[in-house]
Amino acid sequence: GAVVSQHPSRVICKSGTSVKIECRSLDFQATTMFWYRQFPKQSLMLMATSNEGSKATYEQGVEKDKFLINHASLTLSTLTVTSAHPEDSSFYICSADRDRSSYNEQFFGPGTRLTVL
Amino acid sequence: AQKVTQAQTEISVVEKEDVTLDCVYETRDTTYYLFWYKQPPSGELVFLIRRNSFDEQNEISGRYSWNFQKSTSSFNFTITASQVVDSAVYFCALSELKNNNDMRFGAGTRLTVKP
Repeated sequence: GAVVSQHPSRVICKSGTSVKIECRSLDFQATTMFWYRQFPKQSLMLMATSNEGSKATYEQGVEKDKFLINHASLTLSTLTVTSAHPEDSSFYICSADRDRSSYNEQFFGPGTRLTVL
Repeated sequence: AQKVTQAQTEISVVEKEDVTLDCVYETRDTTYYLFWYKQPPSGELVFLIRRNSFDEQNEISGRYSWNFQKSTSSFNFTITASQVVDSAVYFCALSELKNNNDMRFGAGTRLTVKP
């Protein structure tokens, strides 16, 4: 099956710093990648949809200037949490669409646990 | 907008019991997909099943079975003869073709199987 990786798997940072999370599709090209956030004991909430070579589409209530998404290639999307604060501590999960003509072939990464002190 | 409801927040059963996890969805689209994922304590989502809106056949995979009923907008998941390893959070999700394939998740049901 298709594999999606995330790096780092776990990160602890100080308040006010920026953190970059990478999402890679290892064995397929992904025109579209998605970023989700999951707070403890809650569901996954879609943050944004990232299309290769264009600006990401953010869900209502998600600050685009705080959560910078870059999808520079067909195998890599990055999420940068800028000026992180403790309330940004969460589990961030990405997913990738293998082929836009093949709907719902969406593959999830293992997640990145962010803790902001 | 699409919406997924998992009314059962937590379920606790004893090993070997059967358990059904409920999922009710809302959508205005005629073409959509329904999913079930398992999330163990490690956090990584484990794909269990995908079903498109045109296929109402029920499915069985080992101890797992799914009942898709468009008439009641439900896509319920049954685990037969539950095992301790089935303990996890289970999410039902929906994606609509017209919404660029983004996926909306239910709140999840935490299943605990006791020995």
